[in-house]
Amino acid sequence: DAGVTQSPTHLIKTRGQHVTLRCSPISGHKSVSWYQQVLGQGPQFIFQYYEKEERGRGNFPDRFSARQFPNYSSELNVNALLLGDSALYLCASSLLGWNTEAFFGQGTRLTVV
Amino acid sequence: AQKITQTQPGMFVQEKEAVTLDCTYDTSDPSYGLFWYKQPSSGEMIFLIYQGSYDQQNATEGRYSLNFQKARKSANLVISASQLGDSAMYFCAMREGITGTYKYIFGTGTRLKVLA
Repeated sequence: DAGVTQSPTHLIKTRGQHVTLRCSPISGHKSVSWYQQVLGQGPQFIFQYYEKEERGRGNFPDRFSARQFPNYSSELNVNALLLGDSALYLCASSLLGWNTEAFFGQGTRLTVV
Repeated sequence: AQKITQTQPGMFVQEKEAVTLDCTYDTSDPSYGLFWYKQPSSGEMIFLIYQGSYDQQNATEGRYSLNFQKARKSANLVISASQLGDSAMYFCAMREGITGTYKYIFGTGTRLKVLA
């Protein structure tokens, strides 16, 4: 079975631009979450989607948005990029529940210049 | 407040020896899960082991075991017989049941270096 796949793996953008990151979950997983990991820190929660509905949102500005499609894949969009948005963006898929492990993709390394 | 604390920024261990990575947590939710992930330099987070708040026994997965002390709110990861490939960042994380989002709260991580 394929794991969680994310695209692109690396991306360089200019300040003020917009970016779209994509994630395909493990087959059978309906929950997709997004995390931002700044260098030297642990991942920070951005969004969770389940059955195409937003279930949770972290402490991120409105420049960050996401959606989930009928096939449970997901997109994370970031508008008006800032230098501080440079990070590794991780997508995680799981079954729904506090007692189930999430499986992560390899991440998208975004550099804003 | 929900929080995960990892107080060891970096650890060294000799190959074939055991090492303990510390993790303490804070939550008021009776239903929670504690997880350990390994993150190599490639960036992917690799699931290692899980312990549920209602589990009576400590979790084990191969060379990994979780020393769960509920009263002390600690969930330390023990890696036995360390291998060079164990060199990586290790994150402790928690998921709570009360929020409904089941988001992960991560610690700041511990960088483990296994010495030959």
